[in-house]
Amino acid sequence: TQLLEQSPQFLSIQEGENLTVYCNSSSVFSSLQWYRQEPGEGPVLLVTVVTGGEVKKLKRLTFQFGDARKDSSLHITAAQPGDTGLYLCAGAGSNTGKLIFGQGTTLQVKP
Amino acid sequence: GAVVSQHPSWVICKSGTSVKIECRSLDFQATTMFWYRQFPKQSLMLMATSNEGSKATYEQGVEKDKFLINHASLTLSTLTVTSAHPEDSSFYICSARGGGLTEAFFGQGTRLTVV
Repeated sequence: TQLLEQSPQFLSIQEGENLTVYCNSSSVFSSLQWYRQEPGEGPVLLVTVVTGGEVKKLKRLTFQFGDARKDSSLHITAAQPGDTGLYLCAGAGSNTGKLIFGQGTTLQVKP
Repeated sequence: GAVVSQHPSWVICKSGTSVKIECRSLDFQATTMFWYRQFPKQSLMLMATSNEGSKATYEQGVEKDKFLINHASLTLSTLTVTSAHPEDSSFYICSARGGGLTEAFFGQGTRLTVV
């Protein structure tokens, strides 16, 4: 069974601080996605990483896929209150194609 | 971008009744649809995977007779919660993939409350 361990699960920081969310697994994924979810809504795709070692940037968000395609990280620079939400990593199973989610990271950015 | 529409966004039903939730891909053909359940402040738990025209594959511990999934066309999948009970109250979310897309896109979710 493919599992994704996401950490930390809860994070409360002040506006302007930096943070990193980690997503780790013992399994290899063909691709890994990061989503952001607001309360009462479905997750919205932020980025997909496919190649080992890949780094993608989305404004103040930097996503990295591990060389072995088993782990990923999301780094937010100078967090803002608008970044508050639930961040989810999800890996696509290489054999099944199923999207397996990590536990999620609830981020609160205080003004 | 790929749009997935889920309906209804919320529903309240009496215990013992059945509720149907629809998931539509609006601008692409969804060869695969996924149904998830989410409890407050928790991540998404995959319930089942459905491929158009074939039976859904349920995850371990998910009752297939209670959560009926139909994926009769490339743009529509339905989840029917049969004989609903208060413990079935949850946020149900569908996602769809297909049309050459590598990612799955999510519907808005359905808040089910069983009273």
